[in-house]
Amino acid sequence: EPEVTQTPSHQVTQMGQEVILRCVPISNHLYFYWYRQILGQKVEFLVSFYNNEISEKSEIFDDQFSVERPDGSNFTLKIRSTKLEDSAMYFCASSEFPRLAGGEQYFGPGTRLTVT
Amino acid sequence: GQNIDQPTEMTATEGAIVQINCTYQTSGFNGLFWYQQHAGEAPTFLSYNVLDGLEEKGRFSSFLSRSKGYSYLLLKELQMKDSASYLCAASGDSGGGADGLTFGKGTHLIIQP
Repeated sequence: EPEVTQTPSHQVTQMGQEVILRCVPISNHLYFYWYRQILGQKVEFLVSFYNNEISEKSEIFDDQFSVERPDGSNFTLKIRSTKLEDSAMYFCASSEFPRLAGGEQYFGPGTRLTVT
Repeated sequence: GQNIDQPTEMTATEGAIVQINCTYQTSGFNGLFWYQQHAGEAPTFLSYNVLDGLEEKGRFSSFLSRSKGYSYLLLKELQMKDSASYLCAASGDSGGGADGLTFGKGTHLIIQP
């Protein structure tokens, strides 16, 4: 069964450093998402992406964050200058259909980001 | 904005039935999702309701009442592997179509033998 993959599974970085989290969505999916989950807290939406542009972003997704689809398979989340509070599990998700059509979002296994 | 409430924790017995409730307040509501999340793992899709009524899928059923802003997830014939967090997630219509979900804090379900 096709699945969303994410690399790395765990990333440790120092405060102020840039990190890039990578995702490979399911191949025939057109809608891509990033979520984060701080330990013990709820899953929070960051950004959605369709047709090579951001469709929607939350208040969390400030100027320190950016997303890119550099080629036909990868979808990346970049944090320019990490802060301690960016420590969280970051989930990538993809769907074949838009949410308005009940598109089920498939989640990747997550990247655990630890900022020290 | 959107607000989703669900109980923090519930306990049930193997073989029994449990109902996990969720209330939501959202602008431009356009569907209610339930996800299961085992500790340290990614959420996995369980169900989607957009119209009022009950959707049944094997041991799991989900109900929606749009007028009451209320949903529940019903799990039958509970198994130990059902011990997990169950996340209620609502989607609001911001017009883009490819919109993210707003998740509740999740209900941690503990199954006892």
